[in-house]
Amino acid sequence: GQQLNQSPQSMFIQEGEDVSMNCTSSSIFNTWLWYKQDPGEGPVLLIALYKAGELTSNGRLTAQFGITRKDSFLNISASIPSDVGIYFCAGLKTSYDKVIFGPGTSLSVIP
Amino acid sequence: KAGVTQTPRYLIKTRGQQVTLSCSPISGHRSVSWYQQTPGQGLQFLFEYFSETQRNKGNFPGRFSGRQFSNSRSEMNVSTLELGDSALYLCASSLADHSYGYTFGSGTRLTVV
Repeated sequence: GQQLNQSPQSMFIQEGEDVSMNCTSSSIFNTWLWYKQDPGEGPVLLIALYKAGELTSNGRLTAQFGITRKDSFLNISASIPSDVGIYFCAGLKTSYDKVIFGPGTSLSVIP
Repeated sequence: KAGVTQTPRYLIKTRGQQVTLSCSPISGHRSVSWYQQTPGQGLQFLFEYFSETQRNKGNFPGRFSGRQFSNSRSEMNVSTLELGDSALYLCASSLADHSYGYTFGSGTRLTVV
């Protein structure tokens, strides 16, 4: 079964607002990944994190690798309509293991 | 460079039939993983192939099988289709090491009627 939890499950925000979402696990991961999926497409990698405490940015997106190694956070600043989609966190225990995905956070941006 | 290509994009099959889905990875990627995505269960790992060998396996029944060819292209097969097999099937390719994540294809939308 799934080992990752994401919250919130869904969000409706106004254009221009900042967004925060998180991902938690009962077990430790050594790599955290954040993906975004647009309707009808496969997920696309946004950010990869490799060290506890690491903070990484990609444009308006910032993600953090939790200190406990059991969680990760994604922030989106100044949201725009094209940010709409489903955001998945994913964890990897070892380099050759399968990637485990969270259930996703659905983001809707109201213009 | 070309992305991950999945064919067909859409498929409608009848209960009891079998189906084969195809995936061509990014050139140079030797690992191909398959996921089933449904609204209720999210992205569920099916299996991974590397160098023509199954390297990781998820918790799906034996009706779901796969293989990988020497050019790294992969196919997955589902036999004796059930209504619950209706889903988006995603293929993802990567280098041997998954640390940099996967690159996903656009998926095959399978509908079983």
